[in-house]
Amino acid sequence: GAGVSQSPSNKVTEKGKDVELRCDPISGHTALYWYRQSLGQGLEFLIYFQGNSAPDKSGLPSDRFSAERTGGSVSTLTIQRTQQEDSAVYLCASSLGLAGDNEQFFGPGTRLTVL
Amino acid sequence: QQQVKQSPQSLIVQKGGISIINCAYENTAFDYFPWYQQFPGKGPALLIAIRPDVSEKKEGRFTISFNKSAKQFSLHIMDSQPGDSATYFCAASWLRLTFGEGTQLTVNP
Repeated sequence: GAGVSQSPSNKVTEKGKDVELRCDPISGHTALYWYRQSLGQGLEFLIYFQGNSAPDKSGLPSDRFSAERTGGSVSTLTIQRTQQEDSAVYLCASSLGLAGDNEQFFGPGTRLTVL
Repeated sequence: QQQVKQSPQSLIVQKGGISIINCAYENTAFDYFPWYQQFPGKGPALLIAIRPDVSEKKEGRFTISFNKSAKQFSLHIMDSQPGDSATYFCAASWLRLTFGEGTQLTVNP
């Protein structure tokens, strides 16, 4: 079956512009996560969605970042008024549930470059 | 606050050698400890994982050793191969994953 897909694979934008990043999780996975990976760094948690519960937004770095998950499937991460420090790879992952031993399957990421 | 600390940052071993990566955690609520492997341009992929009621888990050339009292765990790669060259992340989970900073492993032929 298909894995987690993300689009676009690369995005170059100018400082101050808004960007939208898309994630299509594995069908049937109720949990969806967004992470940010800066060059040579680890993965920084941003937000997760689990079923119909309120999302955990505790990792979002500023109010310029927001995310939605429509119909319990596709998710969009929006960054408003992009800054150069937002340049990173944005990774999406999904899993069957939130329980600790549910494997998270990662997409290939979207590389965002803010000029 | 970094809740999972990983070392070393980079590691170079010869083919056939043993690669060892260490992690330490703080939050005793963590109940699942996976290791992820990431190749350039790809997302991380689960390599092996352990629960805290087990002290060791082995899958092929990969072994996790877990010390609950010390709040430490490590990944051992036996008979390291050039194809193992990648970035390795330890993680600890409770509802969501908290990742270590990553280790860039290079296995020389």
